[in-house]
Amino acid sequence: SQTIHQWPATLVQPVGSPLSLECTVEGTSNPNLYWYRQAAGRGLQLLFYSVGIGQISSEVPQNLSASRPQDRQFILSSKKLLLSDSGFYLCAWSVRLAGAGELFFGEGSRLTVL
Amino acid sequence: SQQGEEDPQALSIQEGENATMNCSYKTSINNLQWYRQNSGRGLVHLILIRSNEREKHSGRLRVTLDTSKKSSSLLITASRAADTASYFCATVLTSGTYKYIFGTGTRLKVLA
Repeated sequence: SQTIHQWPATLVQPVGSPLSLECTVEGTSNPNLYWYRQAAGRGLQLLFYSVGIGQISSEVPQNLSASRPQDRQFILSSKKLLLSDSGFYLCAWSVRLAGAGELFFGEGSRLTVL
Repeated sequence: SQQGEEDPQALSIQEGENATMNCSYKTSINNLQWYRQNSGRGLVHLILIRSNEREKHSGRLRVTLDTSKKSSSLLITASRAADTASYFCATVLTSGTYKYIFGTGTRLKVLA
């Protein structure tokens, strides 16, 4: 069966520090991968999605970046965090079919920037 | 910008009552999906309805889709305290860009 792992679960970082959130999927090949951010009590904002290794589409201009170094690994990074980067970050994957199927979510990473 | 807007933003009902949540969207879609999120957790897929379908059932869930009005509704019948969660609609666009755009969510509280 397929599983998705996301870590760390919680982190507190000072403004200006770097960030690395990692997500890996097991039990499937060639998934579409996604990073979403959720502000407290709000909906999900699509940040990045990837349909293959090295293929990253960015949805929102920001100081975040994403990379997909391996087929089932998706990394969210920042060189210098801002207070506004605080939030709940969710990684998700879907079967690589155009526009079909459900998203499978990780348990999220809660980032607090102080 | 958000593709979907849910209403109400929050809903509080008694156990055993039905809960109805609505979702409106802006552009043509391939399909529309509903997800549930327990507090502080990831989202879990509930049901998917394709653009050529008008109604779909899954257990106590009933989803309708009106593409002419660009709206969908999720009905949870005979609600339970365990249904307390946030519910989100997500639209998958027709452009083939693999994007899932989520609405703002409805916070449902079922009182025992």
